[in-house]
Amino acid sequence: DADVTQTPRNRITKTGKRIMLECSQTKGHDRMYWYRQDPGLGLRLIYYSFDVKDINKGEISDGYSVSRQAQAKFSLSLESAIPNQTALYFCATSDSGGTNTEAFFGQGTRLTVV
Amino acid sequence: LAKTTQPVSMDSYEGQEVNITCSHNNIATNDYITWYQQFPSQGPRFIIQGYKTKVTNEVASLFIPADRKSSTLSLPRVSLSDTAVYYCLVGDTLTTSGTYKYIFGTGTRLKVLA
Repeated sequence: DADVTQTPRNRITKTGKRIMLECSQTKGHDRMYWYRQDPGLGLRLIYYSFDVKDINKGEISDGYSVSRQAQAKFSLSLESAIPNQTALYFCATSDSGGTNTEAFFGQGTRLTVV
Repeated sequence: LAKTTQPVSMDSYEGQEVNITCSHNNIATNDYITWYQQFPSQGPRFIIQGYKTKVTNEVASLFIPADRKSSTLSLPRVSLSDTAVYYCLVGDTLTTSGTYKYIFGTGTRLKVLA
């Protein structure tokens, strides 16, 4: 089983609909992240959470919200989806403290807004 | 956060050594340098991390000069399966706030030819 699991893997939704992408991890990490990736571009940070009570905006948080339900779960919501939110979304986790900078990524969720 | 600059793309042939250089002129004292690899439609995968001098693991080497304003990822004897995008990240894991947020640039697209 994957250490970082994203659901759904693929989703097509209509403009204006609310949609939630879910991420769960079995790594026991405190830190979790949501990114989006557009074709041919790098990853852009949407939100990140360093522990259950900590939520921070990333580079491109407008139009998105998140919920950290537990250490292992971090959900991303699009309150009213729009076509330019069509992208590949990745969740990631990392350990806290120390000098290890390794992050672990999920398989991605391909979201299409029509 | 320190900004990184990498070549947009590189081509190489199987069996050759590939060196990808990343520039990070405003790297801070506590910043670590990390490289990730990403295959199409997959999440990035950690390759190597370093602070100074040379680091080597089973897949790559990382060379960091004394001034730390650049770093070079070296992939020995590449194969077709090394075709991917390679990202250089710079960040700090040691501050009390733990602000390493994994900010990705656009990366270097490496194409390995037969």
